[in-house]
Amino acid sequence: NAGVMQNPRHLVRRRGQEARLRCSPMKGHSHVYWYRQLPEEGLKFMVYLQKENIIDESGMPKERFSAEFPKEGPSILRIQQVVRGDSAAYFCASSPGWQLYEQYFGPGTRLTVT
Amino acid sequence: GQQVMQIPQYQHVQEGEDFTTYCNSSTTLSNIQWYKQRPGGHPVFLIQLVKSGEVKKQKRLTFQFGEAKKNSSLHITATQTTDVGTYFCAGIPGGGADGLTFGKGTHLIIQP
Repeated sequence: NAGVMQNPRHLVRRRGQEARLRCSPMKGHSHVYWYRQLPEEGLKFMVYLQKENIIDESGMPKERFSAEFPKEGPSILRIQQVVRGDSAAYFCASSPGWQLYEQYFGPGTRLTVT
Repeated sequence: GQQVMQIPQYQHVQEGEDFTTYCNSSTTLSNIQWYKQRPGGHPVFLIQLVKSGEVKKQKRLTFQFGEAKKNSSLHITATQTTDVGTYFCAGIPGGGADGLTFGKGTHLIIQP
């Protein structure tokens, strides 16, 4: 059973460009979470999605950031017009249910904005 | 907003010594989970505690959940070099976001 897949693993973007991060959850998991981690910091919750629905996006910046989890295909975290402060590791996690289920994390995408 | 605080931020120990990290929430938690992240790696689930006062053991690791469900601890007995990494507690505070709220983690550094 393949784990959570994320790609790309490393992404370099210039200021003003768009960044697209992909996450394929574990087989059988319909709950996907995105987190951001700055160096030496904990993980900050961004958004929680189920298939085709955004359940909670309270942790996501109101502008430039969006997420989707279509019926077919991976979940996408999209950052438009990136700025240097967006440089971070972005982790996706999946679970078979909500709250009382452990979350399985992907290897992360390290985004660097130059 | 809801916060999960973890102390200490860094802990240096000699190999073979014990290690403890503490986690405190400003609100009652429905459950608490512990994760370990190796340098350059991703968080890996260790355990979940749900019941008030619950204690669980995994070999040399002992996890506790406080009676008020607002604090937790992880204790490692006789640390080994393989224990190196950052240990995070995470919970879902009542009435908060649906994702996990993570503490900032405790970095465990082991000197041989």
